[in-house]
Amino acid sequence: DTEVTQTPKHLVMGMTNKKSLKCEQHMGHRAMYWYKQKAKKPPELMFVYSYEKLSINESVPSRFSPECPNSSLLNLHLHALQPEDSALYLCASSLDGEQFFGPGTRLTVL
Amino acid sequence: SQQGEEDPQALSIQEGENATMNCSYKTSINNLQWYRQNSGRGLVHLILIRSNEREKHSGRLRVTLDTSKKSSSLLITASRAADTASYFCATARIGTSGSRLTFGEGTQLTVNP
Repeated sequence: DTEVTQTPKHLVMGMTNKKSLKCEQHMGHRAMYWYKQKAKKPPELMFVYSYEKLSINESVPSRFSPECPNSSLLNLHLHALQPEDSALYLCASSLDGEQFFGPGTRLTVL
Repeated sequence: SQQGEEDPQALSIQEGENATMNCSYKTSINNLQWYRQNSGRGLVHLILIRSNEREKHSGRLRVTLDTSKKSSSLLITASRAADTASYFCATARIGTSGSRLTFGEGTQLTVNP
């Protein structure tokens, strides 16, 4: 298995909702990442997990809460988001620095 | 500011022609990676070139890296309409926290049939 999967593909939520994005990989990679990408812009790093521990938080607002339950799974819990948080959220995993991305979750906050 | 800057921002060519995209960066890196993205979907990893390498090939792709000039180029030969996409370079710095990628602004390539 050489892919990163993400669910759901699309998500629409209100500003008072709580939702979660999920990411899974079975390549044995020990580093996993969350990125945010706005339209016509490059991806921006949000969080890095290394060996299931949060190692980098790029000053992301607390309404985004990452979780790494095990070496194959990565979640991003969302609460009280703002319309400007609407974006494509990408998950990636890496081995030896080479990062592989999932297809992303298109998030719309109303 | 972004580590990588790419030019051109947009490139339109005819099928069969070659496409060259350039990437410049500012600080030391461990490797540089090129990605393709189709219309707001996930990024597809194309090629990785390490800081001690100068040139790398993969199929119709050729990547060069000049660490003295802090620049890289991606050449796609014999382009096809299916190559139409956004192309991003990403510089990598690897530490104990993992691999931190910083992306350039991207080049939008259009290959006309």
